[in-house]
Order: sequence, then C-alpha cells, then structure tokens
Amino acid sequence: DVKVTQSSRYLVKRTGEKVFLECVQDMDHENMFWYRQDPGLGLRLIYFSYDVKMKEKGDIPEGYSVSREKKERFSLILESASTNQTSMYLCASRLPGVNTEAFFGQGTRLTVV
Amino acid sequence: GQNIDQPTEMTATEGAIVQINCTYQTSGFNGLFWYQQHAGEAPTFLSYNVLDGLEEKGRFSSFLSRSKGYSYLLLKELQMKDSASYLCAVGVSGGYNKLIFGAGTRLAVHP
Repeated sequence: DVKVTQSSRYLVKRTGEKVFLECVQDMDHENMFWYRQDPGLGLRLIYFSYDVKMKEKGDIPEGYSVSREKKERFSLILESASTNQTSMYLCASRLPGVNTEAFFGQGTRLTVV
Repeated sequence: GQNIDQPTEMTATEGAIVQINCTYQTSGFNGLFWYQQHAGEAPTFLSYNVLDGLEEKGRFSSFLSRSKGYSYLLLKELQMKDSASYLCAVGVSGGYNKLIFGAGTRLAVHP
C-alpha cells in the first residue's frame, strides 16, 4: 500500500517559533509538493521539489522554506510562524509525467497562537 | 492568470445522480484531474481526462471539453459515503507537472 506520511496530524505553535513539518513517501517518487488548504481557497502550492536538493517556489512561498536531503523526505519550514499561517498543510508526491496521480498525506493542521 | 471554478456546495439524495461542474482558464493544459476528499482525510485520486469526451469508471464518470474549458464529474447511484469534497485540478505546462486546484465542491448526500 503506497503511503505518504506526515509527521503530525495536529500542531499548536507560538508566534515567532520556527516550525518543521515533515513528510515521507515510500514510492520512490521524484516529485514532492507542499500545499496549504484553506476554506474557499482550495489547495495552494507553497513549494515543490523535483529531485534531491532541488526545489522550486510555488504560488505562495513567502514565509516558508523547504529541505530535501533524501529522496523520500521533504520538509517544510516556517521560519518565524505567524497567525496567518494557521492552516491545513498537505504533502504530496508524484512520478514525473503529466498524467500521473498525486498521492497525498493525511495533512497537518497547524494552529499558530 | 490561472482560474478554476466549481460550485462551493451541493446536496443530493441517496440513490440519485449528481453532476459537479468545473470550468477552467489556465496557461497550458496537460489534463484535468478529479480528487475526492472526505473530511479530515487526504485527497484521493478519482479520474484523469486529457482528451475530449466521457471516461467511465464504475459509478463515477468524468467529462472534458477542452474547447470550452469545462469538465464535470458525474456520480450515479449516490451513497451516503459519497458525502465529501470533490476537487478539480488542472495540470499546467511550464514547470514540473504543476497542478492548479479549484476550491472544491462539498457534496452532502441525504437519505
């Protein structure tokens, strides 16, 4: 059974903290993605990675960074958490190719207080 | 710019048929995906269309018209477990298999 695993389902952090969200996939996929999901806005792409140590900004990268040191692991970093980063964060992975499906993790609901 | 529109909410009756529409305006087109997302769970893949026409997969079918920038997801013989959000996503060219998602349609199935 293919799997994308996010390290936490729920997180509560304080404003200004550095936050790490971890994602691991077991499908040997080259492409990995971080989205945030907000009501009425759908999934918005924060960052994606197409190979180890390679990354590209998505549509809303401000306030975030990423790390991909190993093929199976893609980390999202909130450098200094703010209340407007309270959201559901979803990690996904895909094989290269335009018709490949994305596999999603269960999501991390982050609350910044 | 990139824009994908779908209705916010729909309701339907168990056993009925429902059609969820999606219209898109994107730069480049590499196909259209539908995903299902139950509350609190990960989105899961339902279908992919890249050619015009209807693709049928059991109780679910998906239609695409590229010239109209339009797709729909058709759910037949609705069951209570079909209550979920349905996400339309377009693959766009210009970088690494990027997917642009609509805001999703929340479907409630009633007895």
